[in-house]
Amino acid sequence: DADVTQTPRNRITKTGKRIMLECSQTKGHDRMYWYRQDPGLGLRLIYYSFDVKDINKGEISDGYSVSRQAQAKFSLSLESAIPNQTALYFCATSDRGDQPQHFGDGTRLSIL
Amino acid sequence: KQEVTQIPAALSVPEGENLVLNCSFTDSAIYNLQWFRQDPGKGLTSLLLIQSSQREQTSGRLNASLDKSSGRSTLYIAASQPGDSATYLCAVEGGANNLFFGTGTRLTVIP
Repeated sequence: DADVTQTPRNRITKTGKRIMLECSQTKGHDRMYWYRQDPGLGLRLIYYSFDVKDINKGEISDGYSVSRQAQAKFSLSLESAIPNQTALYFCATSDRGDQPQHFGDGTRLSIL
Repeated sequence: KQEVTQIPAALSVPEGENLVLNCSFTDSAIYNLQWFRQDPGKGLTSLLLIQSSQREQTSGRLNASLDKSSGRSTLYIAASQPGDSATYLCAVEGGANNLFFGTGTRLTVIP
């Protein structure tokens, strides 16, 4: 089984819908992150969390919210999806600041 | 704001060739620099992490160097193989474990 699991892997939905992307990890890491990847722009940080009670905005948090339900779970929500949120979304975890981040396989989200 | 640039955007080489991928960044105040590999339909796999106090890291056929003062890093791949074909991403950590990514170099190794 993968250490960092993202669900769903693919999602097509319509403008205005509420969407939740889920991430779970078995690595026992405290730190979790959500990124989006767009062609030509690289990965950009949306939100991150250093423990269950900690939530921090990243570079592009507008239009998104997150919930850290447990050490192993970190969810990303789009309250009212819009077409320019169409992207590949990645969840990542890390043990501490000087350790590499470990990524899930991504969720491909299309908003029509 | 930190900006990370990777050149070239794409590279094709014959199998067995040694190659170098380049990464540059605008703010030298970094905690570390990381190289990742991304395969189609997959997430990122960490290859090497260089702390800001280090000059290079090696893992197998991979060697990454860091020149923080000039804002540059290189990833050297020796004796390339078709299985090395992937997109290689460079990322710098500016603090709070926040990574700033380049847009990647898409490598194709031709058998």
